[in-house]
Amino acid sequence: DVKVTQSSRYLVKRTGEKVFLECVQDMDHENMFWYRQDPGLGLRLIYFSYDVKMKEKGDIPEGYSVSREKKERFSLILESASTNQTSMYLCASNSNRGYEQFFGPGTRLTVL
Amino acid sequence: AQSVTQLDSHVSVSEGTPVLLRCNYSSSYSPSLFWYVQHPNKGLQLLLKYTSAATLVKGINGFEAEFKKSETSFHLTKPSAHMSDAAEYFCVVSGRTGGFKTIFGAGTRLFVKA
Repeated sequence: DVKVTQSSRYLVKRTGEKVFLECVQDMDHENMFWYRQDPGLGLRLIYFSYDVKMKEKGDIPEGYSVSREKKERFSLILESASTNQTSMYLCASNSNRGYEQFFGPGTRLTVL
Repeated sequence: AQSVTQLDSHVSVSEGTPVLLRCNYSSSYSPSLFWYVQHPNKGLQLLLKYTSAATLVKGINGFEAEFKKSETSFHLTKPSAHMSDAAEYFCVVSGRTGGFKTIFGAGTRLFVKA
């Protein structure tokens, strides 16, 4: 079974803090994704990566950066957290052989 | 360009009655289509997928969906709802249209009444 894990289920941070969200997948997938999910807005793509050290902006990259130093790990970074970044963050991965994405359990981030 | 529209934001059924969650898509290419389910405070789980093989696709937990190209629809059905089916459901279209792109529907929340 594909397993995608995220470092925290719940996280509370203060405005201005630097925040790291980690995602690890164990199926050797080439592609990894970060989404945020907000009520009424569905899932919105923040960034994705199709290879180590490669990244592409998604629909809402402002205020975020990412890092992919190893194939299995994809990190989302909030350089200076703001209250409007309070959200559920979902990581996903897939291979180049199939379009279905496999999701982690999500991190619910609250910025105070 | 690709797009996906879930026609109902909320659907309410009684336990034991049929479920119908509607999804229409738009795609310039032959799409891959998926339904995912999300239970509260959980990640998304794949229910079923269509990738240009059989048009009637069976998934987990008794769900199935039919790909109808003429109607550009991919509706999700289940003959008999169970309380544990209460969740949010997402219709997703994906394909290589000048780049790798996945589009999520806005979601349909399913309520199941006892």
